[in-house]
Amino acid sequence: AQRVTQPEKLLSVFKGAPVELKCNYSYSGSPELFWYVQYSRQRLQLLLRHISRESIKGFTADLNKGETSFHLKKPFAQEEDSAMYYCALIIGGGNKLTFGTGTQLKVEL
Amino acid sequence: DTGVSQDPRHKITKRGQNVTFRCDPISEHNRLYWYRQTLGQGPEFLTYFQNEAQLEKSRLLSDRFSAERPKGSFSTLEIQRTEQGDSAMYLCASSLSGRIGDTEAFFGQGTRLTVV
Repeated sequence: AQRVTQPEKLLSVFKGAPVELKCNYSYSGSPELFWYVQYSRQRLQLLLRHISRESIKGFTADLNKGETSFHLKKPFAQEEDSAMYYCALIIGGGNKLTFGTGTQLKVEL
Repeated sequence: DTGVSQDPRHKITKRGQNVTFRCDPISEHNRLYWYRQTLGQGPEFLTYFQNEAQLEKSRLLSDRFSAERPKGSFSTLEIQRTEQGDSAMYLCASSLSGRIGDTEAFFGQGTRLTVV
């Protein structure tokens, strides 16, 4: 079965420092990968998806099929980036999202 | 707020009681999903509706769980004979037709169930 691994439960960085939230997946085919974010007291929302190849709020993520990774990166962390980040995938043109366990990003001043 | 709404936001119930949660999706969305999230975990898929048809159910959805979407609008999730292991956040999401990779799923704020 497909699986998403986020090895870090908590990542703490200083404002202005680069951020990399790691995500690895296990699936032999070509999944669709997503990053979802949940800010304090807010609902889960889509941040970005790999098929769009877009940068949202300064974040980017590249799908590396060789390493089966989809790490989320931002060159300069901002205080407002503090949130819980979930990596997720969909396989085989299906509809259900499989989520990782999440990484809490804390940006310190 | 025109987003996905869930009711109630919090529910405390005694073990063995039945509970029912409601989800109102975004009005033009014909797809509706239920997820469950326990502490320290990401959301886990439970079931999915296309209009009123329940098209997929997870093995997580035991016989005690039943979901409906009678008119293709709001949905209910009922848990019968609740157990302490049912304590979790129950999330609802909705989207337009098309593959979820192409259409964004919008989540509600969830119903937090505590079984005592």
